[in-house]
Amino acid sequence: DAKTTQPPSMDCAEGRAANLPCNHSTISGNEYVYWYRQIHSQGPQYIIHGLKNNETNEMASLIITEDRKSSTLILPHATLRDTAVYYCIVRSKAAGNKLTFGGGTRVLVKP
Amino acid sequence: EPEVTQTPSHQVTQMGQEVILRCVPISNHLYFYWYRQILGQKVEFLVSFYNNEISEKSEIFDDQFSVERPDGSNFTLKIRSTKLEDSAMYFCASSADVNVAYEQYFGPGTRLTVT
Repeated sequence: DAKTTQPPSMDCAEGRAANLPCNHSTISGNEYVYWYRQIHSQGPQYIIHGLKNNETNEMASLIITEDRKSSTLILPHATLRDTAVYYCIVRSKAAGNKLTFGGGTRVLVKP
Repeated sequence: EPEVTQTPSHQVTQMGQEVILRCVPISNHLYFYWYRQILGQKVEFLVSFYNNEISEKSEIFDDQFSVERPDGSNFTLKIRSTKLEDSAMYFCASSADVNVAYEQYFGPGTRLTVT
């Protein structure tokens, strides 16, 4: 799987949009970008994933640059319950069906 | 909304004892996984399972570990002789398909404490 780089931490104001960047400059054409989050020691929670196009669901939006070397997860209206560690993961068939978690970004939503 | 469930939520065992961690994957899912997370460390893949066979396993998944789907709903992880370093959160996950376009859904985890 392509390596991802995320900032170790960031703060966000409650009610504002949270924009979480991820760099995956070595991504190849058949690799998907996945985002998960982990609140405290709970099980990782699936957020969203995409291949080339931008994606949106009830939780978040995923913006993938045209060259696919980076992406941004957008939480449109952050709440205190969005405080978590957010993981950007690149998955490829060639690397098997496992998820490889890095260090993620620790997001703290402040009132 | 369907979800992955795991039991027990916390298991305390003595070193050398066998433990079985249980998971009920989402009902129409066909692919099952175990991950673990030692306190303060990253989530690590252990094993994936499909059609009653191990599809892939990590270096962590040695002969002390085994997985089984004993019936149509449960998926279990057995650790034969626990070590202190097996203390961790163990997460079960499932997906509808092995294709990387399909997301994995995780359970809440079992905290294993080996004393």
